[in-house]
Amino acid sequence: GESVGLHLPTLSVQEGDNSIINCAYSNSASDYFIWYKQESGKGPQFIIDIRSNMDKRQGQRVTVLLNKTVKHLSLQIAATQPGDSAVYFCAEKANTGGFKTIFGAGTRLFVKA
Amino acid sequence: DTGVSQNPRHKITKRGQNVTFRCDPISEHNRLYWYRQTLGQGPEFLTYFQNEAQLEKSRLLSDRFSAERPKGSFSTLEIQRTEQGDSAMYLCASRGQGISTEAFFGQGTRLTVV
Repeated sequence: GESVGLHLPTLSVQEGDNSIINCAYSNSASDYFIWYKQESGKGPQFIIDIRSNMDKRQGQRVTVLLNKTVKHLSLQIAATQPGDSAVYFCAEKANTGGFKTIFGAGTRLFVKA
Repeated sequence: DTGVSQNPRHKITKRGQNVTFRCDPISEHNRLYWYRQTLGQGPEFLTYFQNEAQLEKSRLLSDRFSAERPKGSFSTLEIQRTEQGDSAMYLCASRGQGISTEAFFGQGTRLTVV
């Protein structure tokens, strides 16, 4: 994944607004694209994934969009809540290497009450 | 709690010492992964087990690092002759059969080498 050093891209939103977190990927051979949420001091937590042959998938308050033409992945969070504050990582996995998950760059989401 | 368990949660060690971390995956999961995460970065893949077999190792896993999963259940990650650059969060994840299943991560072991 792209190195972002200590300065993660940051998104600050007002509670109740929608959030959109973007990610660019490089491996066209990936079978699944995934979003993880990581809170301070905890391991990454699975949010939602999308198979490479789909372009949209919805979960509870979250939607993932996949644009394979420009290798772009986005996570939309509806009605953002303070509990959504965390670092969000996009990730991918392929049918090789035991389906290991490869993480991309993270984005820190701040939700203002 | 039937999630992935890692011990210890925190480890402070002097440079040059050896350390060992343990991961207990979700019991029915046959795949187990180790990752390393430094501040501000995403987790980086280190190695992967399917049952007791270590099937892949990243180039990040120098010869000072060794991982085992002797009975196909818990796994250990040992770092010999620790260096300050080894300071990081070491994460373990497990996954069941099939590509569509998600990986579940433990809380990690934070290593500080002084």
